[in-house]
Amino acid sequence: EPEVTQTPSHQVTQMGQEVILRCVPISNHLYFYWYRQILGQKVEFLVSFYNNEISEKSEIFDDQFSVERPDGSNFTLKIRSTKLEDSAMYFCASSEYRQGPGRFGNTIYFGEGSWLTVV
Amino acid sequence: GDSVTQMEGPVTLSEEAFLTINCTYTATGYPSLFWYVQYPGEGLQLLLKATKADDKGSNKGFEATYRKETTSFHLEKGSVQVSDSAVYFCALNAGGTSYGKLTFGQGTILTVHP
Repeated sequence: EPEVTQTPSHQVTQMGQEVILRCVPISNHLYFYWYRQILGQKVEFLVSFYNNEISEKSEIFDDQFSVERPDGSNFTLKIRSTKLEDSAMYFCASSEYRQGPGRFGNTIYFGEGSWLTVV
Repeated sequence: GDSVTQMEGPVTLSEEAFLTINCTYTATGYPSLFWYVQYPGEGLQLLLKATKADDKGSNKGFEATYRKETTSFHLEKGSVQVSDSAVYFCALNAGGTSYGKLTFGQGTILTVHP
């Protein structure tokens, strides 16, 4: 079964350093997402991406964050200057694009996550 | 805003016991509802979903019915197995302009003992 793959599975970085988390979405999917889960808290939406631009972003997704689809297969999340509170599991996800009344029931497929620890 | 509330965990059961994990939601309009499961060391996997009131989602012996009148989507299984041990997340997609934005509950840890 097709799957979303993420690298690295775990990264430790020093505060203030830049981090890039990478993802390969399912090949025929057109919508891409990043979510995160701080330890002990809910999974939170960060950003959605469609047609090479951000479709929606949450208030968490401030200027320190950026996303990119550099080469038609990878989808990346960059954190420019990491803070201690950025320590979390980051999930990449993807979905097909559907129109019509059933579109909000579309299945979103998640990767296994990248654990980011900021020290 | 939109929100999902799951029953407090963790839940510990013996094999073949009946499982219920409660989930209630708050949303404007008519959201789609989902249960995701995370097995140890793996990512979030869709378990089942329902897109309109009174729909029943089912998969792998699990069921949940979209109850608009009680704004609930409780997960049930008649006889759990050790392999069902995982974290279960209830989620909604409220629609509108938010195409793929899922709002999650806090997750419920299920441990099943032989």
